Amino acid sequence: SQQGEEDPQALSIQEGENATMNCSYKTSINNLQWYRQNSGRGLVHLILIRSNEREKHSGRLRVTLDTSKKSSSLLITASRAADTASYFCATDAPGSARQLTFGSGTQLTVLP
Amino acid sequence: DVKVTQSSRYLVKRTGEKVFLECVQDMDHENMFWYRQDPGLGLRLIYFSYDVKMKEKGDIPEGYSVSREKKERFSLILESASTNQTSMYLCASSSAYDSFYGYTFGSGTRLTVV
Repeated sequence: SQQGEEDPQALSIQEGENATMNCSYKTSINNLQWYRQNSGRGLVHLILIRSNEREKHSGRLRVTLDTSKKSSSLLITASRAADTASYFCATDAPGSARQLTFGSGTQLTVLP
Repeated sequence: DVKVTQSSRYLVKRTGEKVFLECVQDMDHENMFWYRQDPGLGLRLIYFSYDVKMKEKGDIPEGYSVSREKKERFSLILESASTNQTSMYLCASSSAYDSFYGYTFGSGTRLTVV
């Protein structure tokens, strides 16, 4: 079942700009994760934020989590053409034994 | 480099054929998963396994079965392939004890049933 929904479905920006993607979910979570998928390939884990954390950084990535609004955002700063990919959020809910539920994804295009 | 390996990148099969998709991981992970990915529908969980010889149905198990005889190998079986099973199939594994690194995915198998 789809728990997460990403917004927007598609995003196109110029190289060097920041890209922000949002994710909303429906139930309580243990953690929320973001993945990237290059065209025709598998997903790659980017970052995990636990339910008791509000913000996390990794390189050019910044993730925020608002459990009261059941939402998260992924910010990619100083984007590059190589960041062009689909980005998915995934939630790990209590009692799910670490079974992730994925959102429908945001297609990011970074124009050179 | 740790990885999940799916046996085929592209596969074309005929309707009614029995199809085996193989997945092997070298990370000693306890958990393994099979998803299918279709445009507009995102990733949908077919089956998963938390241990050898153990399997659990996901959201869309109909028309599929799985086998996990060894910890490192998780096979997805299409008993009688149909055209509506044309899709991208993704295998993933994860540790039962540490969620920090999330899932590790294979590169995917794009299956076409004709």
